[in-house]
Amino acid sequence: DAKTTQPTSMDCAEGRAANLPCNHSTISGNEYVYWYRQIHSQGPQYIIHGLKNNETNEMASLIITEDRKSSTLILPHATLRDTAVYYCIVITQGGSEKLVFGKGMKLTVNP
Amino acid sequence: ETGVTQSPTHLIKTRGQQVTLRCSSQSGHNTVSWYQQALGQGPQFIFQYYREEENGRGNFPPRFSGLQFPNYSSELNVNALELDDSALYLCASSDARDRTYNEQFFGPGTRLTVL
Repeated sequence: DAKTTQPTSMDCAEGRAANLPCNHSTISGNEYVYWYRQIHSQGPQYIIHGLKNNETNEMASLIITEDRKSSTLILPHATLRDTAVYYCIVITQGGSEKLVFGKGMKLTVNP
Repeated sequence: ETGVTQSPTHLIKTRGQQVTLRCSSQSGHNTVSWYQQALGQGPQFIFQYYREEENGRGNFPPRFSGLQFPNYSSELNVNALELDDSALYLCASSDARDRTYNEQFFGPGTRLTVL
């Protein structure tokens, strides 16, 4: 079973920041938080990951709470192309560990 | 750098038949994982191959089997197809030698319909 819980869906206006929450209250000390997204009819795409520090890359920012029991993925300026199902996944850093997907959260970016 | 490719794109089979799906991993990647995604659900891990050997398996029956070839490409075989096998089958490649992070690169998937 997935170790994370996410809202089922969320809407966001184009150009605004999208803040996607994820709860992972049972996360272990050696487990990382990974985010993937799946645009309709495509395979999942890696976005970002982190352990305990906040992370930023060209796609998004990841904010992890100090107790590591929850995190937020931030898309700073959402576009229509960011409409997708977003998956928050908790895994140990193992090179090629299997990904356990939940149902994810559908983000719809509206014009 | 070539991405992950899968073939065929779509496939229609009838119950009881057998099917083979193919995946070419990204250049330089030595690990291939297969996932099944039913409609409206997240992908479910089937199994993983590393250096031509099975390296972990999810909760799928033995009629789901696979192969990995020396060039790291892979096949997923499903025997005795059932209606519930209708799904999107995703292949993901990664480099097990890189233990610093766990990015898996997914192909576009094969849509299998069992009638």
